[in-house]
Amino acid sequence: QKEVEQDPGPLSVPEGAIVSLNCTYSNSAFQYFMWYRQYSRKGPELLMYTYSSGNKEDGRFTAQVDKSSKYISLFIRDSQPSDSATYLCAMSARSRNYGGATNKLIFGTGTLLAVQP
Amino acid sequence: EAGVAQSPRYKIIEKRQSVAFWCNPISGHATLYWYQQILGQGPKLLIQFQNNGVVDDSQLPKDRFSAERLKGVDSTLKIQPAKLEDSAVYLCASRPVGLAGTDTQYFGPGTRLTVL
Repeated sequence: QKEVEQDPGPLSVPEGAIVSLNCTYSNSAFQYFMWYRQYSRKGPELLMYTYSSGNKEDGRFTAQVDKSSKYISLFIRDSQPSDSATYLCAMSARSRNYGGATNKLIFGTGTLLAVQP
Repeated sequence: EAGVAQSPRYKIIEKRQSVAFWCNPISGHATLYWYQQILGQGPKLLIQFQNNGVVDDSQLPKDRFSAERLKGVDSTLKIQPAKLEDSAVYLCASRPVGLAGTDTQYFGPGTRLTVL
């Protein structure tokens, strides 16, 4: 079983739709949860960051974390064609290795989203 | 503020050849990461540096991959010899020290490697 599972899509929605992206995970030690957006031939960029359980809203984006169910979500309201990208969930647990603190990110496989104008 | 720089952007080599990638992190960022992203997958951490020391290289195939970060700034990742399965995008990321509890890693555009 992979540590992080994400539906790869692709997901195609009309402009203005509400988009729901989801990930599940198995490692209960994960404390930090992130969503990255990756445009074609670009590096990932951080979109949302959440610590532990709860909701976080930033403009049209809302991130939810349910640690009891080991389930995280990203909602995009009023989706725009410019939102077309691959969305990667990522998570980490603080740990120590080689004498230093490591915050290794474990990524999902990414969901390819296309918003049609 | 300039972002993470990587070069080359694209590289095509034949199997068993050697290749090297270069990364220049954001100025002042103490932590540097190299990730491998195979098509259709999320990035996988290969190695993490804190200044010029290795913090985590547990997933680095050490028989063929090596990385260094001299003087705690730029870094190079080398593959020798390359295999077909090494075809991927190699991403470099950096993070400033002092952001305890956050994992804001800033990624470069990546180097797309094709091994024929």
